Amino acid sequence: DTGVSQNPRHKITKRGQNVTFRCDPISEHNRLYWYRQTLGQGPEFLTYFQNEAQLEKSRLLSDRFSAERPKGSFSTLEIQRTEQGDSAMYLCASSYRGGGGANVLTFGAGSRLTVL
Amino acid sequence: DAKTTQPNSMESNEEEPVHLPCNHSTISGTDYIHWYRQLPSQGPEYVIHGLTSNVNNRMASLAIAEDRKSSTLILHRATLRDAAVYYCILGDDMRFGAGTRLTVKP
Repeated sequence: DTGVSQNPRHKITKRGQNVTFRCDPISEHNRLYWYRQTLGQGPEFLTYFQNEAQLEKSRLLSDRFSAERPKGSFSTLEIQRTEQGDSAMYLCASSYRGGGGANVLTFGAGSRLTVL
Repeated sequence: DAKTTQPNSMESNEEEPVHLPCNHSTISGTDYIHWYRQLPSQGPEYVIHGLTSNVNNRMASLAIAEDRKSSTLILHRATLRDAAVYYCILGDDMRFGAGTRLTVKP
């Protein structure tokens, strides 16, 4: 297993364009998380899935943001009509959650978005 | 959601021990305490977790107060590669604060 994979690693786009990021989690992991991180800040929770169900969305996730996880495998995060304030690192993490025990996340390297 | 409080920054000298504190006075009985770190230009990586007892692994040790309202991540001999932002998070909600930026001086 190669860990959590995120693509593309870097994306430069013009304001108003749509962008999509993909996350491939560790194969046996049933939970998948998306975070946004700006310079000097900690990762900011956006949403998470358990299998294909989106169980929680942050209020920070405006209606321009949508995430999917069809078939409970990979996930996509789409940002429509991008704004300069969307420039950030978008991080994906996955974990296995079943019964008790700790929820230990494995993160990908992130996808850096620059909106011009 | 349970919250954590960490100092914004700490400094250490290379090859000396480092104790990174975390306060979590509102922790619930079933909340695990997790520590992650983020090296420059990388995603966060798992360091260690615990529930009630102190824990050791190859990266660090975790000391948990008896009342569980605080914990300390211990790096036994800091190296330059340990310079990172260290995050303490609780339970299942996986929310990160600003963490503690650790600087290691040669």
